[in-house]
Amino acid sequence: TQLLEQSPQFLSIQEGENLTVYCNSSSVFSSLQWYRQEPGEGPVLLVTVVTGGEVKKLKRLTFQFGDARKDSSLHITAAQPGDTGLYLCAGVVDYKLSFGAGTTVTVRA
Amino acid sequence: EAGVAQSPRYKIIEKRQSVAFWCNPISGHATLYWYQQILGQGPKLLIQFQNNGVVDDSQLPKDRFSAERLKGVDSTLKIQPAKLEDSAVYLCASRGGGSTDTQYFGPGTRLTVL
Repeated sequence: TQLLEQSPQFLSIQEGENLTVYCNSSSVFSSLQWYRQEPGEGPVLLVTVVTGGEVKKLKRLTFQFGDARKDSSLHITAAQPGDTGLYLCAGVVDYKLSFGAGTTVTVRA
Repeated sequence: EAGVAQSPRYKIIEKRQSVAFWCNPISGHATLYWYQQILGQGPKLLIQFQNNGVVDDSQLPKDRFSAERLKGVDSTLKIQPAKLEDSAVYLCASRGGGSTDTQYFGPGTRLTVL
């Protein structure tokens, strides 16, 4: 059973469009992380959000952590084919990760 | 700095056979994790080591899965006997000490049980 629910499960968009991925939980986490995983590789950490209401920007990626530290979103502006991959959110408690099922993003050229 | 190494990358076995996976974490990382990632799901923690001791193995199916990290460096995960539902990618991750919560993942071993 996944403690974190991610939506949508799949997302296919054209290059240059924007997209948002959501991560929701009934549990409170000390922090929340976003990873990207490409086929045949392990997940790679993109960002860690710690404070409720926090917003972090990483080039074209914007991450938000909900005020209650239970939900988060990832927004990509002007998506590029290189953004294609599986995006995973993970709640952190005692340095252990609980992952969502992931959102598969495909950006078409 | 070398990343987390895992081998083999792929393994195909028949049900009821045994299999072992190997992980070499980033040098100096005291904490090592094994995850199981079934197709269409996120990784699920199986076991966490701190040096050569087990911190958490609450989600490890101990009737068939075992893991060890005898010298506090490399680790081995074994399945005996394997079942069809064990088909998955097995990921190893390591974390440095202190307050950092960043885990570094290896490329994984894809196991297919026929």
